[in-house]
Amino acid sequence: QKEVEQDPGPLSVPEGAIVSLNCTYSNSAFQYFMWYRQYSRKGPELLMYTYSSGNKEDGRFTAQVDKSSKYISLFIRDSQPSDSATYLCAFRYGGATNKLIFGTGTLLAVQP
Amino acid sequence: DAGVIQSPRHEVTEMGQEVTLRCKPISGHDYLFWYRQTMMRGLELLIYFNNNVPIDDSGMPEDRFSAKMPNASFSTLKIQPSEPRDSAVYFCASSFIGPSPYNEQFFGPGTRLTVL
Repeated sequence: QKEVEQDPGPLSVPEGAIVSLNCTYSNSAFQYFMWYRQYSRKGPELLMYTYSSGNKEDGRFTAQVDKSSKYISLFIRDSQPSDSATYLCAFRYGGATNKLIFGTGTLLAVQP
Repeated sequence: DAGVIQSPRHEVTEMGQEVTLRCKPISGHDYLFWYRQTMMRGLELLIYFNNNVPIDDSGMPEDRFSAKMPNASFSTLKIQPSEPRDSAVYFCASSFIGPSPYNEQFFGPGTRLTVL
């Protein structure tokens, strides 16, 4: 079983739709949960982060973590064409190690 | 700050040739990461350094790959000899340990490598 599973998509939605992006993980040692956004031909950039189960909201974006089910989600409300990108979930262990484990990414296209 | 700088942005080479990718991290960052991204495998961590010292190279695929960080402002990833299966986008990222546990990694624009 892979440590992290992410649906690669592609996902195509009309402008204004609600988007749900999901990752499952198997390693209980993951303590910090992040979403990175990667525009075409660019490097990934940090979008959202959280460490606790529950929801964290930032504008049109909501990050959700369910540690009991080992499941994280990113919701985008009122999606815009500028949200078209690849979204990667990322996980970090607790403690001193500083490395991240990334999902394979979901390609999202928001059609105007 | 200009962000993480990588060179070259594109590299096309023939199988068997040596390839050297270069990275300049953000000033003041004490961690440097090398990643490889492909459609099939996603973003894979190859190696990372802390204060110029390699900490974890378990992701380096084989002996053909080597990485160095001679000082805090420069790192190289070398592939010798290169093979077609090494074709990918190689990213360098840097971060620093601060009060936040997320230690955001800042990525460079990547080097797109094609080995013919």
